[in-house]
Amino acid sequence: QQPVQSPQAVILREGEDAVINCSSSKALYSVHWYRQKHGEAPVFLMILLKGGEQKGHEKISASFNEKKQQSSLYLTASQLSYSGTYFCGTASQTSYDKVIFGPGTSLSVIP
Amino acid sequence: GAGVSQSPRYKVAKRGQDVALRCDPISGHVSLFWYQQALGQGPEFLTYFQNEAQLDKSGLPSDRFFAERPEGSVSTLKIQRTQQEDSAVYLCASSPSQGSRNEQYFGPGTRLTVT
Repeated sequence: QQPVQSPQAVILREGEDAVINCSSSKALYSVHWYRQKHGEAPVFLMILLKGGEQKGHEKISASFNEKKQQSSLYLTASQLSYSGTYFCGTASQTSYDKVIFGPGTSLSVIP
Repeated sequence: GAGVSQSPRYKVAKRGQDVALRCDPISGHVSLFWYQQALGQGPEFLTYFQNEAQLDKSGLPSDRFFAERPEGSVSTLKIQRTQQEDSAVYLCASSPSQGSRNEQYFGPGTRLTVT
C-alpha cells in the first residue's frame, strides 16, 4: 500500500525551512527519501532503517518513528536548488526488498 | 564512475507493437529494480532482481510485461502488444546490496509513448 505524504505542495522563500511528512499503515523496515527534478531521474537523499541506522547526505536530516510508521524530512535554510518533487519510499517488514513510493511533495523555492 | 544507463531514452510505439527497454546497472550492483512512472505520480514498483533471480514481480501490470536479467547484469523489460495505458516513463534503478538497505541509483528512464 502506497505511503501518504503531506503536504502535497509547498512554496518557500530562500532561507526558509520546511518539513515533509510520510506515513504508512504497515510496520516498516526502511524509509527512503528521493528528490526528482522535472525530466530527471530521482536522486537519493536519505535512508532510515528500523533500529535507528541512517545513511544520507550531510545537509539533509530526517526522522523515523518506528512505532507510528512515520518519517519526516527536514529542509533547513532552503536554497533555490532544493526545488523539485520529494518522494518517500517505504519497505515493509514483511516485504523488505520492495520499496513503494508515495505520490510526492512538490517543493518550490523562490528568491 | 558510470551511472545507470537506459536505452532508448524515448520510444514511440504503435498500439499492438512489442517493445524492449534496456537497463545497464552500475557494475557490481546486486539489486536491480524496474519502476513505471506516470506523469505527476511517484515511481510505481514493477519488479526486482537479486543478481539473475527475479525475486518479486508482483507489480507487473499484466502478462504482457516480462523482465529478465539473465547474467545478473543488464536487464531488459519487454512489453508485448502495447496499449495506450502503457505510456509512461520506465525507470530502472540498481543498488549495491540486496533489498532496501541501501540507496537506489536511478537511470534517466525511457519515455514510452503508445499511439
